[in-house]
Amino acid sequence: DAGITQSPRYKITETGRQVTLMCHQTWSHSYMFWYRQDLGHGLRLIYYSAAADITDKGEVPDGYVVSRSKTENFPLTLESATRSQTSVYFCASSSMGPNSNQPQHFGDGTRLSIL
Amino acid sequence: GDSVTQMEGPVTLSEEAFLTINCTYTATGYPSLFWYVQYPGEGLQLLLKATKADDKGSNKGFEATYRKETTSFHLEKGSVQVSDSAVYFCALNTNAGKSTFGDGTTLTVKP
Repeated sequence: DAGITQSPRYKITETGRQVTLMCHQTWSHSYMFWYRQDLGHGLRLIYYSAAADITDKGEVPDGYVVSRSKTENFPLTLESATRSQTSVYFCASSSMGPNSNQPQHFGDGTRLSIL
Repeated sequence: GDSVTQMEGPVTLSEEAFLTINCTYTATGYPSLFWYVQYPGEGLQLLLKATKADDKGSNKGFEATYRKETTSFHLEKGSVQVSDSAVYFCALNTNAGKSTFGDGTTLTVKP
């Protein structure tokens, strides 16, 4: 089915471990985004990508790494997980950039708990 | 910088009540404005949008009008249902190439 899918939906890991969250979209959208959603902070942009091999930092990039070797995939890696990175992570895509009138399309999120 | 301020929640209404969720913004240029809805356990979904002054976006009985003079984009619905219970986010895209989201307003509709 067309859309944007995130995996896993739920993940529990320990501090210091590396964890990768996957995001895949089938629309061939140029732009992709990673957000975290925390109570009291709303949505905060971690990284975004304008095209394959083009990525840029958002508001809260520290502790995260992204790559975009293919247009349809945009994985997010926590290189050494910390408890402060416990959150719900959302991936989104858009056909045009944030300076356009096009909305973003969101996945259903990954709920990550770091013990 | 650009910002979106939403009415603080939570908002609790009885079924068939009138809904207003206020949203005001600060932005340079002429932003595009959006309302997204998030149901429990899901991601945000576009509810409606407006791309220029005086445009009215509408969907599923919800409406919002782009008011440049008051920099507002208030969400309204004439008669809410239990199924409208969700978190609602106001958002904007600016010419500077940035998307900004409000903090979300939780709506609970009781039968």
